[in-house]
Amino acid sequence: GQSLEQPSEVTAVEGAIVQINCTYQTSGFYGLSWYQQHDGGAPTFLSYNGLDGLEETGRFSSFLSRSDSYGYLLLQELQMKDSASYFCAVRDSNYQLIWGAGTKLIIKP
Amino acid sequence: GAVVSQHPSWVICKSGTSVKIECRSLDFQATTMFWYRQFPKQSLMLMATSNEGSKATYEQGVEKDKFLINHASLTLSTLTVTSAHPEDSSFYICSAPTSGRLNEQFFGPGTRLTVL
Repeated sequence: GQSLEQPSEVTAVEGAIVQINCTYQTSGFYGLSWYQQHDGGAPTFLSYNGLDGLEETGRFSSFLSRSDSYGYLLLQELQMKDSASYFCAVRDSNYQLIWGAGTKLIIKP
Repeated sequence: GAVVSQHPSWVICKSGTSVKIECRSLDFQATTMFWYRQFPKQSLMLMATSNEGSKATYEQGVEKDKFLINHASLTLSTLTVTSAHPEDSSFYICSAPTSGRLNEQFFGPGTRLTVL
């Protein structure tokens, strides 16, 4: 079957750095994406990795290792507004997304 | 970035009625749209892929006669929940990739359906 594994919950302190890991096992792979979802809201796109390596977008970075079927999202200089759920998702050949269960990020002052 | 709208944002209905949810791409054309359902504290579950001008592709376990999808134009897809029951209460979200940014999906704000 197809599955994406990510921690259910991560807690960090405001101003700190946090890493959310994602391992995947899928029949097809066309890239790993990360989405942020605040309670009651819709997901918003954060980043996409099609090739191995690190992609940086402001305070957020995402990494991919296809040989390890592994990626992570790195959030720096955490702010209270970063409290949300973060989902990793693998894209298949039909542009559908296979979603992880999501990681709830709790930020403490 | 690309904008996707959904209407209504929330709806409460009686059991047995039908509810139509609209998903519109406001500033781009979407030949493909995706419909998701999300229960509280759970991940998104893909229900179906909506294709402009052709029949939708439903995921396994999703009743196509209950969840009717119509993608009549390049900017509009509709999901109709027919004969809704309390167990259909959920958060329904649509999304679409743009031709220029195929690896990024843009999501509508979602529709919260409550069936009494």
